[in-house]
Amino acid sequence: SQQGEEDPQALSIQEGENATMNCSYKTSINNLQWYRQNSGRGLVHLILIRSNEREKHSGRLRVTLDTSKKSSSLLITASRAADTASYFCATDAWTGAQKLVFGQGTRLTINP
Amino acid sequence: NAGVMQNPRHLVRRRGQEARLRCSPMKGHSHVYWYRQLPEEGLKFMVYLQKENIIDESGMPKERFSAEFPKEGPSILRIQQVVRGDSAAYFCASSPLPANNSPLHFGNGTRLTVT
Repeated sequence: SQQGEEDPQALSIQEGENATMNCSYKTSINNLQWYRQNSGRGLVHLILIRSNEREKHSGRLRVTLDTSKKSSSLLITASRAADTASYFCATDAWTGAQKLVFGQGTRLTINP
Repeated sequence: NAGVMQNPRHLVRRRGQEARLRCSPMKGHSHVYWYRQLPEEGLKFMVYLQKENIIDESGMPKERFSAEFPKEGPSILRIQQVVRGDSAAYFCASSPLPANNSPLHFGNGTRLTVT
């Protein structure tokens, strides 16, 4: 299995601080995606980063990818209470399997 | 453009009954994925379908579970003779391209409780 593994499993910070979550995976990939899930809801896509990219930005989100270390990080700057959610990384398979495999997620809590 | 629609949102079944979960993908999306999520865990891949075809069912139990995506109508995930271990949230996602080239759009899930 090439399931991604997020670290930490849970993170609690004060509003306004930055939050960093990490993801490690096992085999080569075409792309890596980050998703957010609010309690009781479906997942929402945040960012897709391809294997030939090293960094990508979207608003307050910054994603990095290090294919040599098989790892990615998601940084949320200037966190807000509304950022409280679970965050998942998902990877595809270099072999062409057309599915995403999700990690266990990081539960982020932003304290006001 | 409506998002991915799943129904019902909540489904309660007694052991041995059948559960039918429905998913209408976003307009223009021909790729459908089903995932299962247990409390406080990540999503486990079950099956990937394109219109009328099962592309990958490697994550689906061999017995009691089946999925279809007919030419007309929603995708259906069917669980026969449900057991307590089937209790989980089942999420459907769709995309215009295979997931290795496109983000997935998720529905809000069906929460199945087996009593």
